[in-house]
Amino acid sequence: EADIYQTPRYLVIGTGKKITLECSQTMGHDKMYWYQQDPGMELHLIHYSYGVNSTEKGDLSSESTVSRIRTEHFPLTLESARPSHTSQYLCASGVAGNYGYTFGSGTRLTVV
Amino acid sequence: DQQVKQNSPSLSVQEGRISILNCDYTNSMFDYFLWYKKYPAEGPTFLISISSIKDKNEDGRFTVFLNKSAKHLSLHIVPSQPGDSAVYFCAASAIGNEKLTFGTGTRLTIIP
Repeated sequence: EADIYQTPRYLVIGTGKKITLECSQTMGHDKMYWYQQDPGMELHLIHYSYGVNSTEKGDLSSESTVSRIRTEHFPLTLESARPSHTSQYLCASGVAGNYGYTFGSGTRLTVV
Repeated sequence: DQQVKQNSPSLSVQEGRISILNCDYTNSMFDYFLWYKKYPAEGPTFLISISSIKDKNEDGRFTVFLNKSAKHLSLHIVPSQPGDSAVYFCAASAIGNEKLTFGTGTRLTIIP
């Protein structure tokens, strides 16, 4: 059973708004990741965390920020949404030494 | 600079036949490779993986082959079933680095 949850599934929001995409997992995984994917493109790593109070930027530059105050929670925030932020955002978690991430269902964000 | 390449955006295969999905990589530091399957509006799910010390790994109808000298891997699905219709992503990880680099995906359609 998938034990990683993302909310909302879909979000349409106006330019300039602040948004937070939620990601929670109940598996006790230390590692958590945020990927961004545009249609027909590869998944790009934008943020990752290997534990509480540990966050790093990924390979793709992103204006979003993340926090990891609790093991199970890894929210992503956009302070001022822009149309260029329109994309699908996928959260994943994993165990150290195991490369098989578990992904959430994703949030499809549209900024108008 | 795309380090993991899936050059076929789409593939159609008759039900019951073999599906072969291909993936090439450029980074010689990659030592672990995975295939993920993604249905529309869902997150990717882990399918099968292979370490660079092996050249083949099998799990039921799914077999992954790795040719290190050619920096090429392939996923074989036999026999193909309608439920296999999805987008398949190849991913790779470098030695000592548990972050995954993904390809652009191949959309597999199984024709009944």
